[in-house]
Amino acid sequence: DTAVSQTPKYLVTQMGNDKSIKCEQNLGHDTMYWYKQDSKKFLKIMFSYNNKELIINETVPNRFSPKSPDKAHLNLHINSLELGDSAVYFCASSLSTGGTEAFFGQGTRLTVV
Amino acid sequence: KNQVEQSPQSLIILEGKNCTLQCNYTVSPFSNLRWYKQDTGRGPVSLTIMTFSENTKSNGRYTATLDADTKQSSLHITASQLSDSASYICVVSAQRNTPLVFGKGTRLSVIA
Repeated sequence: DTAVSQTPKYLVTQMGNDKSIKCEQNLGHDTMYWYKQDSKKFLKIMFSYNNKELIINETVPNRFSPKSPDKAHLNLHINSLELGDSAVYFCASSLSTGGTEAFFGQGTRLTVV
Repeated sequence: KNQVEQSPQSLIILEGKNCTLQCNYTVSPFSNLRWYKQDTGRGPVSLTIMTFSENTKSNGRYTATLDADTKQSSLHITASQLSDSASYICVVSAQRNTPLVFGKGTRLSVIA
């Protein structure tokens, strides 16, 4: 009965490759997010979708492209991976935008070598 | 600029002792403030939520306070347990369609 699930949990890949991380929530929430947690453990929002529509797009390289086929899924595709992309990526969802609790997935640890 | 500052950065306490973590924010307009606990290798999990009109809220051994005038919050942990070892992140929410503002967290280590 996992609420927010991400796959894979670990991802090791070489520079220049293209990879995707998948996220699904079964909470019936309207809003989903991608966060990046760097080596200093600071969580930064990357994208936010509400009912499949992009509502927040922070300063993120355009190598990162989120895709939301439906409101229960928000996938993250990364092109031409760089060493600096190594981090833990968290997917989250909330009932709606602004002020409601965000439920986080377990994270995907991406290592670019 | 909306910011959340937490202190201390890290803290080591003996099992059974109490501790207090601090959070100062400049987020405006304020909607609510949450404390999240993040265990190693896991995603953050919400512990408490405080709205503008609330001063204190408890969740078991965790008690959060909020002073909306000074824009400060604290998280007090009573009778700490080894399982309390984690990062505690203060997160402030502003108006709709704006990102949650995360503090950098306090890394708590409870030792026997």
